[in-house]
Amino acid sequence: AQKITQTQPGMFVQEKEAVTLDCTYDTSDPSYGLFWYKQPSSGEMIFLIYQGSYDQQNATEGRYSLNFQKARKSANLVISASQLGDSAMYFCAMRHRPQGSNYQLIWGAGTKLIIKP
Amino acid sequence: SQTIHQWPATLVQPVGSPLSLECTVEGTSNPNLYWYRQAAGRGLQLLFYSVGIGQISSEVPQNLSASRPQDRQFILSSKKLLLSDSGFYLCAWSHRGRNTEAFFGQGTRLTVV
Repeated sequence: AQKITQTQPGMFVQEKEAVTLDCTYDTSDPSYGLFWYKQPSSGEMIFLIYQGSYDQQNATEGRYSLNFQKARKSANLVISASQLGDSAMYFCAMRHRPQGSNYQLIWGAGTKLIIKP
Repeated sequence: SQTIHQWPATLVQPVGSPLSLECTVEGTSNPNLYWYRQAAGRGLQLLFYSVGIGQISSEVPQNLSASRPQDRQFILSSKKLLLSDSGFYLCAWSHRGRNTEAFFGQGTRLTVV
């Protein structure tokens, strides 16, 4: 069965340090996509980065990069030079397509990241 | 550019009252539409998704229903709210048939009292 696991319920990181948020997934689909979203206290879900299962290179978007290790089924988010504004909940999600159905997103439980000044 | 609007932002309703949350998308056509619920401090739970007008798939049996009367309008409803319906509800859309991200509305914080 498809599943997303985020093992870190919370993390404290000093400002300007890099931070890695863990995400492992389980799927039997040969083709899938992995996403990271940021949810600040306002509640809005903000898309950060996407990695396709067939992409050869790790995705990068500004200070965000995705450490994709397909054999280990992990898709960790790396934030370089953390800022106070990075404090938020972070969710890992996977897109899959159940048989006879349309694409759906499966979500992890999230990691609460707090950046300390 | 595409935008998604969801309202109201907050709502306090008594137990047993009806519910109607509305979501509209602008700047795109034939989107996939989704309703999610997020309990406090938890991940997202998919409630309904729709691939077209009148086409609704329910993921979790519950006290809620969804309708899509127009291509870019998605409505979440209940005839009688329960205390357990309290939560943060998010509407989202994605491009049809493409492996792309979903875009979310601002969310509605529903408290049933």
